[in-house]
Amino acid sequence: DSGVTQTPKHLITATGQRVTLRCSPRSGDLSVYWYQQSLDQGLQFLIQYYNGEERAKGNILERFSAQQFPDLHSELNLSSLELGDSALYFCASSVEFGATTEAFFGQGTRLTVV
Amino acid sequence: GDSVTQMEGPVTLSEEAFLTINCTYTATGYPSLFWYVQYPGEGLQLLLKATKADDKGSNKGFEATYRKETTSFHLEKGSVQVSDSAVYFCALSDRGGATNKLIFGTGTLLAVQP
Repeated sequence: DSGVTQTPKHLITATGQRVTLRCSPRSGDLSVYWYQQSLDQGLQFLIQYYNGEERAKGNILERFSAQQFPDLHSELNLSSLELGDSALYFCASSVEFGATTEAFFGQGTRLTVV
Repeated sequence: GDSVTQMEGPVTLSEEAFLTINCTYTATGYPSLFWYVQYPGEGLQLLLKATKADDKGSNKGFEATYRKETTSFHLEKGSVQVSDSAVYFCALSDRGGATNKLIFGTGTLLAVQP
């Protein structure tokens, strides 16, 4: 158990809909990262938050957004969903940014868009 | 930008065989290097890491040495077991940047047969 909790584990929704994925980081970790894993794109970094502030953006679509709340949990919002958004979405957390500490991953949310 | 290149899989071995999974990287700074493992249906787990040149990371019989001169971080294990069957990801984190987001290779599927 990595200590990172993601909910829900599975999500099936229709095209055009909006969903919210939730992540609770390990106790004490200030940084949260979101990754998308798909068969054709591999593991793609989406976005990072540190202590409530956005720190880095990767290949995140404009239809996607995220935030980190004062209690440090994070949510990834995916809207106007398309079939191609079907993927595993991972959250990871680490103690701080700019350090050599590793990131700890949750078990992921499998999103299926039908 | 920074990138990681891994050997294509799948890699199929018999139990007790020697394993090498090649990984090379491109980075402008001085990255930390990681190997993560993903077992079926699970999230990514840190397997080992190295934070500077010539460091050797090791865990559970797996080893990798940070080679700055060849920009490589190859994963090795002397005798694989069926339980090692998983997808292995090489990753880097730029220590000098404003974020320590991980950049992953495409992953290498290892299948160990009894």
